[in-house]
Amino acid sequence: NAGVTQTPKFQVLKTGQSMTLQCAQDMNHEYMSWYRQDPGMGLRLIHYSVGAGITDQGEVPNGYNVSRSTTEDFPLRLLSAAPSQTSVYFCASRDRVVTDTQYFGPGTRLTVL
Amino acid sequence: DAKTTQPNSMESNEEEPVHLPCNHSTISGTDYIHWYRQLPSQGPEYVIHGLTSNVNNRMASLAIAEDRKSSTLILHRATLRDAAVYYCILNGGATNKLIFGTGTLLAVQP
Repeated sequence: NAGVTQTPKFQVLKTGQSMTLQCAQDMNHEYMSWYRQDPGMGLRLIHYSVGAGITDQGEVPNGYNVSRSTTEDFPLRLLSAAPSQTSVYFCASRDRVVTDTQYFGPGTRLTVL
Repeated sequence: DAKTTQPNSMESNEEEPVHLPCNHSTISGTDYIHWYRQLPSQGPEYVIHGLTSNVNNRMASLAIAEDRKSSTLILHRATLRDAAVYYCILNGGATNKLIFGTGTLLAVQP
């Protein structure tokens, strides 16, 4: 199992550009989430999903869109990047059935100029 | 959403036990208490979780107060590799809304 994979690892955008952060898991977990972590801060929940076709907003959803067309994939879209979105983005997949454990990807470091 | 309160930082010496506290006075009956930790430059990793009874695994122990308004993560013998930010999180029912907070930065001295 690859676990939770995220691409790209690093990205630099200009203000106003859009992009999609990819997240995939091969553990057949229904539950997935996106977090951002600013320097020296804790994680903040952006969006989450409890299954294909079902998403909901977390603490800081503004400026981000998500969709969940398959169990495996949960992409995060930045509609019009702003410097305030400079952060490290973590995707997570959660085994709600057996262990109730959340597994995190390696993160995407995003810089918006 | 029920909130948790943790000290910003703690220090420990290597080979000694560490008790990391977490207050959650507004916890509901269905909330599980989860602990995660984040090593430097890595994503968080699961440590332990429980509902009412104390829990043990190979990484740590979780002691839950009888009224469930607080809990303590116990690292029995701290090592330098345990230096991390430790997060105490509540989650209940079918929601996937796991709110992390700011956690406790644990420093381990040799």
